[in-house]
Amino acid sequence: DGGITQSPKYLFRKEGQNVTLSCEQNLNHDAMYWYRQDPGQGLRLIYYSQIVNDFQKGDIAEGYSVSREKKESFPLTVTSAQKNPTAFYLCASSMRTPNTGELFFGEGSRLTVL
Amino acid sequence: LAKTTQPISMDSYEGQEVNITCSHNNIATNDYITWYQQFPSQGPRFIIQGYKTKVTNEVASLFIPADRKSSTLSLPRVSLSDTAVYYCLVGGSNQAGTALIFGKGTTLSVSS
Repeated sequence: DGGITQSPKYLFRKEGQNVTLSCEQNLNHDAMYWYRQDPGQGLRLIYYSQIVNDFQKGDIAEGYSVSREKKESFPLTVTSAQKNPTAFYLCASSMRTPNTGELFFGEGSRLTVL
Repeated sequence: LAKTTQPISMDSYEGQEVNITCSHNNIATNDYITWYQQFPSQGPRFIIQGYKTKVTNEVASLFIPADRKSSTLSLPRVSLSDTAVYYCLVGGSNQAGTALIFGKGTTLSVSS
């Protein structure tokens, strides 16, 4: 089945630790995105990538880092510099051309900082 | 980037038709309008997409006026399972560097 897989589904970390969230897609999509969602809030864009080895900051990139070494993979690292990392993280992908805004989402990763 | 504005919440009863309107005054010529549905602790799911006039699929209709500055998602005969958050997304381009920005969404509550 084609789709997007995020792991882990739940993650706990201590303050000051970096953590990496995995996102893999087998849809052959060029573009991938990371969003953050806080309770009762909408989705905020962290980073996005249109092609391999290239990515752009979204609205809330501070304290996060990404890489795009393979078309299928777009991992997100939540660094210790992120002041309030507890949130629900969503990865998505789309066709790059034409990019009409039809996104396919993973099931999300919930990060809790203890 | 086109900014969207939606009502924060709406209430309805089972069997009624629900219309959710999204305002996007600075929509660009190449932008499409896409609606998503999200249940708690899940990723958003695509509902419908359009560029102009009216689009209908098996679950919803999307009405877009000629000036494209707004759009209305219409859900016919809602059920309890339609209780969710609905997002309007405006964007899309054939050029690289497109950031897709979501608004705050509309929480729809359906009661029996």
